[in-house]
Amino acid sequence: GENVEQHPSTLSVQEGDSAVIKCTYSDSASNYFPWYKQELGKRPQLIIDIRSNVGEKKDQRIAVTLNKTAKHFSLHITETQPEDSAVYFCAASRSGTYKYIFGTGTRLKVLA
Amino acid sequence: SAVISQKPSRDICQRGTSLTIQCQVDSQVTMMFWYRQQPGQSLTLIATANQGSEATYESGFVIDKFPISRPNLTFSTLTVSNMSPEDSSIYLCSVGTGADNEQFFGPGTRLTVL
Repeated sequence: GENVEQHPSTLSVQEGDSAVIKCTYSDSASNYFPWYKQELGKRPQLIIDIRSNVGEKKDQRIAVTLNKTAKHFSLHITETQPEDSAVYFCAASRSGTYKYIFGTGTRLKVLA
Repeated sequence: SAVISQKPSRDICQRGTSLTIQCQVDSQVTMMFWYRQQPGQSLTLIATANQGSEATYESGFVIDKFPISRPNLTFSTLTVSNMSPEDSSIYLCSVGTGADNEQFFGPGTRLTVL
């Protein structure tokens, strides 16, 4: 069946450094790729998304890149801050279906 | 975005009993979903709650165990039936609005089954 692989499962970075999380999807028909941030005890929050008609999208310190040929996409966080510490989930879906396949999550720790 | 609330926020239940979780949205939404998040794990879609018809369940989830209602475009319930300790999880509703695929999550219900 369809799946989304996410790496790494845990990531520790020094404050101010960059963090990169990578996801690979199997369904070639997927064309919408959201990223969620989940702080401890909180709900997942949509932080950025990308659609298949673009290769990159940026929002302040966060960017997402998409390689449709290789079926992988990545989250980039620059100038990391302690409040970036959370679990990040990627997902893939087909436009119009709303059915998300989530990755397994990455626990990011930003060390002050 | 829509404001989503869930009740209860948490509960501790005895095995063999059932719990109904409510999800309320402050505006009409097209799509509503129920997810399960087991401790330390990712999110797994249980079912799509369809307004006016039976929910659409994902593989591994059945209506007898997780009956779902959606009487209107702002409200849905998920019941976890005949609970066992393996049902201990966070249960989250989410909503999809409009033509985009964006989904927004409720705060979740943390269920512990003893």
